Amino acid sequence: EVQLVESGGGLVQSGGSLRLSCAASGFTFSSYGMHWVRQAPGKGLEYVSAINSNGGSTYYAKSVKGRFTISRDNSKNTLYLQMGSLRVADMAVYYCAREGAAGQLDTWFDPWGQGSLVTVSS
Amino acid sequence: QSVLTQSPSVSGAPGQRVTISCTGSSSNIGAGYGVHWYQQIPGTAPKLLIYGDSNRPSGVPDRFSGSKSGTSASLAITGLQAEDEADYYCQSYDSSLSVVFGGGTKLTVL
Repeated sequence: EVQLVESGGGLVQSGGSLRLSCAASGFTFSSYGMHWVRQAPGKGLEYVSAINSNGGSTYYAKSVKGRFTISRDNSKNTLYLQMGSLRVADMAVYYCAREGAAGQLDTWFDPWGQGSLVTVSS
Repeated sequence: QSVLTQSPSVSGAPGQRVTISCTGSSSNIGAGYGVHWYQQIPGTAPKLLIYGDSNRPSGVPDRFSGSKSGTSASLAITGLQAEDEADYYCQSYDSSLSVVFGGGTKLTVL
């Protein structure tokens, strides 16, 4: 079964740091680009970051650029999101997701992890 | 304000047909980029419903269908069931931005 399991969420003060992990199983992790999408409480989905299959190319939304770092360890089948200088506006459920079509700009996301809640206090 | 525009809510009675629209522009849907749809039941992760405008992943009932024309796309649900009550999001790619999502549509089954 293809599965993504996130961990690492929690409560952090404004200005603090947190690292999310996303453990993949059931597929060849090193063959797929991976993505992070977040959802603030009661809000819609926001695209956050992406990394290609070998980790050589990354993308960040303007809202997190310079503060978040996406990375992956293909030997451990794990995706990471290092979040720094956290703001109240970053408070959300963070989902990791696998790309549906390798290397395609208009790819879809399937599957998604269960989500990891990041709470930022002021 | 989302790049892809969706109506905030739609409703229908069991057995009816409803459609959810997703309006973009010439830099995303109108540029030919694929449109994908997700279903999100409150408290759970989004689930892929339609990819590449009109393709259903295995396991998704054929009551769900997608279409695209010009700068807009639509998700149709026929034979509405209580379990279809959820939030629905469209997603595409924008040449000026990157991956973009619609603001979501809440479907209520009356």
